[in-house]
Amino acid sequence: QKEVEQDPGPLSVPEGAIVSLNCTYSNSAFQYFMWYRQYSRKGPELLMYTYSSGNKEDGRFTAQVDKSSKYISLFIRDSQPSDSATYLCAMKDRGSTLGRLYFGRGTQLTVWP
Amino acid sequence: EADIYQTPRYLVIGTGKKITLECSQTMGHDKMYWYQQDPGMELHLIHYSYGVNSTEKGDLSSESTVSRIRTEHFPLTLESARPSHTSQYLCASSEFPGQGTDEQYFGPGTRLTVT
Repeated sequence: QKEVEQDPGPLSVPEGAIVSLNCTYSNSAFQYFMWYRQYSRKGPELLMYTYSSGNKEDGRFTAQVDKSSKYISLFIRDSQPSDSATYLCAMKDRGSTLGRLYFGRGTQLTVWP
Repeated sequence: EADIYQTPRYLVIGTGKKITLECSQTMGHDKMYWYQQDPGMELHLIHYSYGVNSTEKGDLSSESTVSRIRTEHFPLTLESARPSHTSQYLCASSEFPGQGTDEQYFGPGTRLTVT
């Protein structure tokens, strides 16, 4: 069983739609949860970061973590064509001195005008 | 924007050649990483370093080697390239010693094709 599962999509939505991206995980030691955004021919960049359970909002983006279900989500409101990218979830356990990240496969999102 | 650079961005090379993928960062980060990324697949950690003269292999078995002689420089070498090495290679760095956000900053990647 993979540590992190993520539906690769692709996901195609019209501009203005609400997008929901999800990951599940199996390791209960994961405490830090991240979403990275990767544009075509670029490296990933950190978009959202959450520690333990709960919600975090940043503009049009909301990250949710449900540790009891081992499930994390990223919501994008009022999606824009500029949001078209691959979204990678990543996780880390508290005891990692390396800061080792475990990534999902990424979900490819296209927002069409 | 992160100050981490990778060269070359694209490389097409024949089987058996020796290649070195360059990675440099100007942020003074101690920790650096190499990942392999294939389309639709997870990023796999292939090498990491805690600092100068520290290198370790990651989870994914790799025939590549790395060195860390200077803080800012973390090159990856393939002694004899094979078609199975065709992939995208991403370099990353981070600052904090495993605490808090510990954000990893990624370079743009090198897309390697071995013919």
